[in-house]
Amino acid sequence: GAGVSQSPSNKVTEKGKDVELRCDPISGHTALYWYRQSLGQGLEFLIYFQGNSAPDKSGLPSDRFSAERTGGSVSTLTIQRTQQEDSAVYLCASSLTLGLGNTGELFFGEGSRLTVL
Amino acid sequence: AQSVTQLDSHVSVSEGTPVLLRCNYSSSYSPSLFWYVQHPNKGLQLLLKYTSAATLVKGINGFEAEFKKSETSFHLTKPSAHMSDAAEYFCVVSEKQAGTALIFGKGTTLSVSS
Repeated sequence: GAGVSQSPSNKVTEKGKDVELRCDPISGHTALYWYRQSLGQGLEFLIYFQGNSAPDKSGLPSDRFSAERTGGSVSTLTIQRTQQEDSAVYLCASSLTLGLGNTGELFFGEGSRLTVL
Repeated sequence: AQSVTQLDSHVSVSEGTPVLLRCNYSSSYSPSLFWYVQHPNKGLQLLLKYTSAATLVKGINGFEAEFKKSETSFHLTKPSAHMSDAAEYFCVVSEKQAGTALIFGKGTTLSVSS
């Protein structure tokens, strides 16, 4: 597609359930990012995939959070045993990497709004 | 590791007056710096980007930012605010190495009154 696509756009779940959020990046973009946006917290970095390199998972808040990127394209963010504090908008972004030290513009999806009851 | 601090969580200006949104960064290496804007109920959009060329960077909608290494700052300015500039603005840092994530500041909400 033309842009970064995320699904579902809205997800309401009960505390303790697992959820999966999907991101379909722009075709050909080598870098893919997940961020979490909570009110008053700005964008919190979660995880970063760059080509075939090992992902940078340094932003994942707990071991309940994990992410995969299959075939260098689609990514899934999984949250296990959801808690109320996981409620937020989860944003995915992709970019070209233009060479060493030259990060391309991030193109963001519209986000998946997660509400944990 | 890199980090970024936006010094004001909220800035209010009158239409037609200058805008200043402050950002300081910390980076072990020469950074790339960005400003992104998020309008209400819309996605994030790149305003401008610094990657070691000219220290004064011009972006869209009349915004510009100046990279000052000695002050570790990358403040965003605009000479004359417009009502449509009301939005949330994020300063972003990335270290100039392959495989480094972009780190966002907590954001500054800009309000513009008539």
